Amino acid sequence: DIQMTQSPSSLSASVGDRVTITCRASQNIDRYLNWYQQKPGKAPKVLIYAASTLQSGVPSRFSGSGSGTDFSLIISSLQPEDFASYYCQQSYSTPQTFGQGTKLEIK
Amino acid sequence: QVQLQESGPGLVKPSGTLSLTCAVSGGSISISNWWSWVRQSPGKGLEWVGEIYHSGNTNYNPSLQSRVTISVDKSKNQFSLKLTSLTAADTAVYYCAREERLPACAYFDSWGQGTLVTVSS
Repeated sequence: DIQMTQSPSSLSASVGDRVTITCRASQNIDRYLNWYQQKPGKAPKVLIYAASTLQSGVPSRFSGSGSGTDFSLIISSLQPEDFASYYCQQSYSTPQTFGQGTKLEIK
Repeated sequence: QVQLQESGPGLVKPSGTLSLTCAVSGGSISISNWWSWVRQSPGKGLEWVGEIYHSGNTNYNPSLQSRVTISVDKSKNQFSLKLTSLTAADTAVYYCAREERLPACAYFDSWGQGTLVTVSS
């Protein structure tokens, strides 16, 4: 299985901050990398697919970059509704695997 | 806008079988999508369980393959999950999800709200 490692596991930030979450794959996954946001008690919601393509309806303050093994999710200016958990996921090979998550909390 | 809704027992006994159904509305299950089950437990995070195409083709997570069966009922526009030989480690929130497959990526674009299944006597 391809292992996905996110960092940091948790992060405290303030409204208006720029935040970067990273995800590393244990082997090359090209650009088969997706990012999800999950709020407590809710299902994950896709933000970014194919490493850098913004899902329809997702605010432009979210962006993604990377290819191969190293990827980043950037939130350019945190809004109150962005405090949630974030997960990366590879769809390069079966089984699809997720990172362990990054919990973004209010400072 | 497709919607997915899981249903099934919330409590199952150890060594028993988990049976969940995902009803799809707002779209046909018989289109070019794969339909998946994903579970989430505090100990293991998000874990892909397996997927099915409307033709009946399936793929399973090798870690669960010996215990998992996913089936589709096109007449009812739904798909189902069976997981046997349950232990406490199978306690999780189970989500059904639709997978969008593109030439260069695949991702889950629609999810059910999730259903908590607890394995306990």
